[in-house]
Amino acid sequence: DTEVTQTPKHLVMGMTNKKSLKCEQHMGHRAMYWYKQKAKKPPELMFVYSYEKLSINESVPSRFSPECPNSSLLNLHLHALQPEDSALYLCASSRGPASGGENIQYFGAGTRLSVL
Amino acid sequence: AQSVTQLGSHVSVSEGALVLLRCNYSSSVPPYLFWYVQYPNQGLQLLLKYTTGATLVKGINGFEAEFKKSETSFHLTKPSAHMSDAAEYFCAVSSDRGSTLGRLYFGRGTQLTVWP
Repeated sequence: DTEVTQTPKHLVMGMTNKKSLKCEQHMGHRAMYWYKQKAKKPPELMFVYSYEKLSINESVPSRFSPECPNSSLLNLHLHALQPEDSALYLCASSRGPASGGENIQYFGAGTRLSVL
Repeated sequence: AQSVTQLGSHVSVSEGALVLLRCNYSSSVPPYLFWYVQYPNQGLQLLLKYTTGATLVKGINGFEAEFKKSETSFHLTKPSAHMSDAAEYFCAVSSDRGSTLGRLYFGRGTQLTVWP
């Protein structure tokens, strides 16, 4: 089973709203990732958690706040977003950086976010 | 540093024809190479990977790719295209060494259209 589950599938929010995206995996993976993907573009890395600690933040604006409550769960808290933040947000997980060639990232189906 | 170049942002083939999607990489360390496919409004699905060993790798849905170190290439092929192959394809490179440990670097993607 290589399933990464993301909820919700779609989200519409106003610029003053607070919302959260959720990602879950039960593969025993120790690395989890958030990506942002605009139409017709490759995914852009936002955050990486390794062993439940934030290891990479790609200079993402503070209106995006990640959280990793446990090894299976990853959240992305959203606050005061801008219309240009509308995109597909993808979560991925992998065994972890030390697993060499088997550090394969498996992706969820994504959350389609629209900011009005 | 690692990077990926996908030649051709759009490729069109007739059903039953050969599919060839080109990927060249740059890596200062031995690379791990991946092809992902993305169907409309979905996440990324792993097609195949090269880590070590046999340079011709087979993936799902009849796709295969060959790692050619001398040419720094990892082109994706399928002998006979099917309508269901129409999607966006991303080539990606990573490594288990250096400061970019485990991080994926994507090409810009190739949109495959299959004509009946």
